[in-house]
Amino acid sequence: EPEVTQTPSHQVTQMGQEVILRCVPISNHLYFYWYRQILGQKVEFLVSFYNNEISEKSEIFDDQFSVERPDGSNFTLKIRSTKLEDSAMYFCASSVTRGSSPLHFGNGTRLTVT
Amino acid sequence: AQTVTQSQPEMSVQEAETVTLSCTYDTSESDYYLFWYKQPPSRQMILVIRQEAYKQQNATENRFSVNFQKAAKSFSLKISDSQLGDAAMYFCAYSYSGTYKYIFGTGTRLKVLA
Repeated sequence: EPEVTQTPSHQVTQMGQEVILRCVPISNHLYFYWYRQILGQKVEFLVSFYNNEISEKSEIFDDQFSVERPDGSNFTLKIRSTKLEDSAMYFCASSVTRGSSPLHFGNGTRLTVT
Repeated sequence: AQTVTQSQPEMSVQEAETVTLSCTYDTSESDYYLFWYKQPPSRQMILVIRQEAYKQQNATENRFSVNFQKAAKSFSLKISDSQLGDAAMYFCAYSYSGTYKYIFGTGTRLKVLA
């Protein structure tokens, strides 16, 4: 069964540094998402992406964050100037349609900011 | 605004017994979808079951079934013949047709006692 893959599985960075989290969505999916989960708690929506542009973003997704689909397969989340509170599990997800089909999640990237 | 509420932070069930996890939601949409996701200690988010609001029949997937009460805006998950491998966080999620954003509840941690 096709899977969403995320790399790296764990990223440690120093406060103020930039990080790029990478994702390869399922190939026939058209909609891509980033979610964040702090300390195994609430799963928070960050951003959705369709047709090479952001379709919706949350209040968490401020100027510090950006997303990109640099080629036909990768989908990246960039965090500029990381803060301690950015430490979380970041999940990439994709879906065939928007709303009606389920999200398929990757295994997540655990980001630790020191 | 759409909201998803899981009022049980933690539940326990004896192995081989049945347990029901609660979820309520609020929406003014008519064409919407509900999901249950399982997050084991490995942290991957796994789709358990999906329900379409326009379908009267409750969804089932092997030992997992839902009790969908549309008028009450309730969507509970029943796990029959609980197994040790069912121990996980369970998240209820909501979306509607055309949305770019899926909303998750705060989760219920299920413990399975041997």
